Amino acid sequence: GAVVSQHPSWVICKSGTSVKIECRSLDFQATTMFWYRQFPKQSLMLMATSNEGSKATYEQGVEKDKFLINHASLTLSTLTVTSAHPEDSSFYICSVPREGGYTFGSGTRLTVV
Amino acid sequence: GEDVEQSLFLSVREGDSSVINCTYTDSSSTYLYWYKQEPGAGLQLLTYIFSNMDMKQDQRLTVLLNKKDKHLSLRIADTQTGDSAIYFCVEGGQAGTALIFGKGTTLSVSS
Repeated sequence: GAVVSQHPSWVICKSGTSVKIECRSLDFQATTMFWYRQFPKQSLMLMATSNEGSKATYEQGVEKDKFLINHASLTLSTLTVTSAHPEDSSFYICSVPREGGYTFGSGTRLTVV
Repeated sequence: GEDVEQSLFLSVREGDSSVINCTYTDSSSTYLYWYKQEPGAGLQLLTYIFSNMDMKQDQRLTVLLNKKDKHLSLRIADTQTGDSAIYFCVEGGQAGTALIFGKGTTLSVSS
């Protein structure tokens, strides 16, 4: 099946800095990728849909200037959390839809201190 | 809007069967999935059922779908300690569209 690599798996950063998370589809060309966020003991909530070669589509309440998404190739989407604050601390996970289902990255645990 | 509801906790003894229930609201869902999340890990697809089916069995897993009541269940037979995890009930629409997750059921298996 398709393999999705997400990096880094965990990151600690200082408040005010930016963090980039990569999601790579290793053996499948993905025109679309999804970014989810999961707060502790909460469900996964869709943040945005990343579209190759065009602008991402953000869900209501998600600031596009804060969560920058770039999907420049069919195998890579990046999520950059800009000017991170402690309330951005969360588990971020990407998903690649493919024939027969979805493949998820292993997730990134972001802690902002 | 769409919503997926499931109980938050389930505790069973090793060897017993576990049944996790879920209700959803979007009648146009095409697929319904069960994902497993182990502590600190990503999501693992356990099984899925197409909306025109009412049952699917896959080794120790049995999925039952009552489309009229929009009720989905996951039964794990002979539950093992390694089954301890969070189980998400997930509904999906057209292929390639985003999934909608329930809050997850934490399954605790005691020996």
